[in-house]
Amino acid sequence: SYVLVQPPSLSVAPGQTAKVTCGGINIKSKEVHWYQQKAGQAPILVIYDDRDRPSGIPERFSGSSSGNTATLTISRVEAGDEAAYYCQVWDSDNDHQVFGGGTKLTVL
Amino acid sequence: HLQESGPGLVKPSETLSLTCTVSGGSMSSSRYYWAWIRQPPGKGLEWIGNIFYSGNTYYNSSLKSRVTMSVDTSKNQFSLKLNSVTAADTAVYYCARLLGLTVSDHWGQGTLVTVSS
Repeated sequence: SYVLVQPPSLSVAPGQTAKVTCGGINIKSKEVHWYQQKAGQAPILVIYDDRDRPSGIPERFSGSSSGNTATLTISRVEAGDEAAYYCQVWDSDNDHQVFGGGTKLTVL
Repeated sequence: HLQESGPGLVKPSETLSLTCTVSGGSMSSSRYYWAWIRQPPGKGLEWIGNIFYSGNTYYNSSLKSRVTMSVDTSKNQFSLKLNSVTAADTAVYYCARLLGLTVSDHWGQGTLVTVSS
């Protein structure tokens, strides 16, 4: 089955740029979605279809995908961005939703 | 808006049953699937399955033998049954709306289900 690999943690200073990666075989061929989950809350969608932002999500959040890696980029990081971030794809070979293990973003 | 409901405590070997009530729109739209996703304490997200308003389902193969999802469009609800539960099934269970088959654009607040005697 398809596997998505994320680094468990990432630390960034306020105002800097955070890049959260998601690795998967030929991930470029799939549509990648990203969710933000703050402590004690349900996840929310921040990027869908590799790079599209739902309404209400700041422009500081952007997505890209190339080869075997998809990336969520958070520009001008704020304290309120501290959360776990999960990537997700649909594995059409097995008709499965697949989540990455999540990356805990800490704002220093 | 989505709201999960059901028992917060289930005994080992019994059946976990949850319902998700959808408000603010009809479930009977070809635009959406509906999903159950769970999260064990301190761990990541695990997909359980998707259901269409017609009853068409997709299940996680690792849970397929124990999972049944159903939909009641007259009540705007869909449900999850997971049988033969063990402590490993202890998790926060979320219901979600999917754009198409894959994008969870709206989530319920989640409900914690603990499996313990």
